[in-house]
Amino acid sequence: DAKTTQPNSMESNEEEPVHLPCNHSTISGTDYIHWYRQLPSQGPEYVIHGLTSNVNNRMASLAIAEDRKSSTLILHRATLRDAAVYYCILRDTNAGKSTFGDGTTLTVKP
Amino acid sequence: ETGVTQSPTHLIKTRGQQVTLRCSSQSGHNTVSWYQQALGQGPQFIFQYYREEENGRGNFPPRFSGLQFPNYSSELNVNALELDDSALYLCASSLLQGGPMQETQYFGPGTRLLVL
Repeated sequence: DAKTTQPNSMESNEEEPVHLPCNHSTISGTDYIHWYRQLPSQGPEYVIHGLTSNVNNRMASLAIAEDRKSSTLILHRATLRDAAVYYCILRDTNAGKSTFGDGTTLTVKP
Repeated sequence: ETGVTQSPTHLIKTRGQQVTLRCSSQSGHNTVSWYQQALGQGPQFIFQYYREEENGRGNFPPRFSGLQFPNYSSELNVNALELDDSALYLCASSLLQGGPMQETQYFGPGTRLLVL
């Protein structure tokens, strides 16, 4: 199974950009890259996803390396409400299987 | 629009017992996936159901089984419970419209299972 590797924790100051990295060197051609985040006592919440090209939505941007072996989630201006565990996930589009790593705990300081 | 709901919220069982967890998908969704999340870890994929048939499975033994009903609600059944089955069980629903399964999943709040 393809796996993802993320730093255990990161800190950011409020109103500053945050770059959350993810390595997925064993990604296959049919895997989409998804990012979810999870607040305490809640289920994961969708953030963004992509295949090869960089993606933007109202929550974040996703930068995907040309060889697809790594990606970076970008929060343009962190707020206190962005403090969560962020998961980088590979979704096998043929098998309907999502492989989560252990995530990055993001702390946002006022 | 009603989100994904799960019941019960918490459950305590003893080793060897059987348990059934329930999930109600978001309106209009035809696919449901189940995940197990141990404390401090990321969710682990158990299986996925599409139109009442299992169409993907993770590395879980056969004592983990499921059902998806015509109204797209779902059940997760676990037989012969073990202490290591203690975890948060999450279900996620999505709308699969053909083509690559890259659709967004919407997660419920989970059921916290404790096996003593």
